Amino acid sequence: EVQVVESGGGLVQPGRSLRLSCTASGFNFGAYAMSWVRQAPGKGLEWVGFIRSKAFGGTTDYAASVKGRFTISRDDSKSIAYLQMNSLKTEDTAVYYCTRGMDGYTGYDDYWGQGTLVTVS
Amino acid sequence: EIVLTQSPGTLSLSPGERATLSCRASQSVSSNSLAWYQQKHGQAPRLLMYGASSRATGIPDRFSGSGSGTEFTLTISRLEPEDFAVYYCQQYGSSPETFGPGTKVDIK
Repeated sequence: EVQVVESGGGLVQPGRSLRLSCTASGFNFGAYAMSWVRQAPGKGLEWVGFIRSKAFGGTTDYAASVKGRFTISRDDSKSIAYLQMNSLKTEDTAVYYCTRGMDGYTGYDDYWGQGTLVTVS
Repeated sequence: EIVLTQSPGTLSLSPGERATLSCRASQSVSSNSLAWYQQKHGQAPRLLMYGASSRATGIPDRFSGSGSGTEFTLTISRLEPEDFAVYYCQQYGSSPETFGPGTKVDIK
């Protein structure tokens, strides 16, 4: 069974850093792109960024709202993806979802975790 | 950036009725790279459709998708009680990936 589980959320002050983890199981983690999508309280979905598989260079891309502050990385040996969030702002408050891409390049998000709440205050 | 607009914002229907949800893109979506997601209150989104018209694994055939270019539609042929939720479209053909604001389908 494919599973992705986020962890690391919590309350953090503006300007500080936080690292989220996404632990995957039930599939060949290294073969897939992994993404982060967030949802502010009562709002819609916002794409944060993705990291491609090593087969596609492990390249990353980010939303303009987080570029230069957030970094996505992956450890294929542990089946974990990370979201390093620096210089946090109050507007980064959201539930952060980890998702699996349709393949190693990117694409639609076929599996989602339950999310982890980040509160910047 | 491709901006997605969804209409209507809210759709009030009864179980058994047909639901038609629209997603319009500000420019043509590459290779019909358009997906639909369902989100129930307090839950993570779930993939329904990809490639504009392909159903994801386990999605019942009362859900169908159509469209191309800039106009896309999600149709639920006969609403079941578990279908009342918020539906989002997403384009994944161009960076940045973008989501529409969502359509809420609620019980009339």
